[in-house]
Amino acid sequence: DAGVTQSPTHLIKTRGQHVTLRCSPISGHKSVSWYQQVLGQGPQFIFQYYEKEERGRGNFPDRFSARQFPNYSSELNVNALLLGDSALYLCASSLGHPHQPQHFGDGTRLSIL
Amino acid sequence: GEDVEQSLFLSVREGDSSVINCTYTDSSSTYLYWYKQEPGAGLQLLTYIFSNMDMKQDQRLTVLLNKKDKHLSLRIADTQTGDSAIYFCAEGRTGGSYIPTFGRGTSLIVHP
Repeated sequence: DAGVTQSPTHLIKTRGQHVTLRCSPISGHKSVSWYQQVLGQGPQFIFQYYEKEERGRGNFPDRFSARQFPNYSSELNVNALLLGDSALYLCASSLGHPHQPQHFGDGTRLSIL
Repeated sequence: GEDVEQSLFLSVREGDSSVINCTYTDSSSTYLYWYKQEPGAGLQLLTYIFSNMDMKQDQRLTVLLNKKDKHLSLRIADTQTGDSAIYFCAEGRTGGSYIPTFGRGTSLIVHP
């Protein structure tokens, strides 16, 4: 079975641009979460979606947005990119119940020049 | 507030046991997780423990939970060079929105 897949694997953008990152969850998983991992830090929560509804939002500016599609895949959008947005963006999926742990993809490495 | 703390580095010799420690502050934490991250990869779930348990063993991995002191540890027996990675402790709680909070990670270096 395929795990969580993310695309692209690497991306280079310049300040002010926007970016769209994509995630496909494990088959049967209805919840998708997005995290930002800056070098040397643990993942920081950005969004969580369950059954296409936003279930949680972390402390990130409105430049960050996301959505979940009927097939449970998800997109993370970031507008007006800043140098500080350079990070590894991780997507995780789960069945959505509290006792079910999250399974992570390998992430998208975003570099802002 | 909520916070998860870990020591940043641990160095061990191949074949020895490794013990990675974690403390958390949220007493309502229900689930505690250990994840492993190898260079250039995402996080791999290693094991997890419910807060009503004291210990869980899974092959070379042993998780100990001291709920009174809010202290969690991961012991890796017979540590191998392939165990070199960053290990993250995460805590989560029940509720309508289950969102784990991660520590900064412990970098485990295994010497031959």
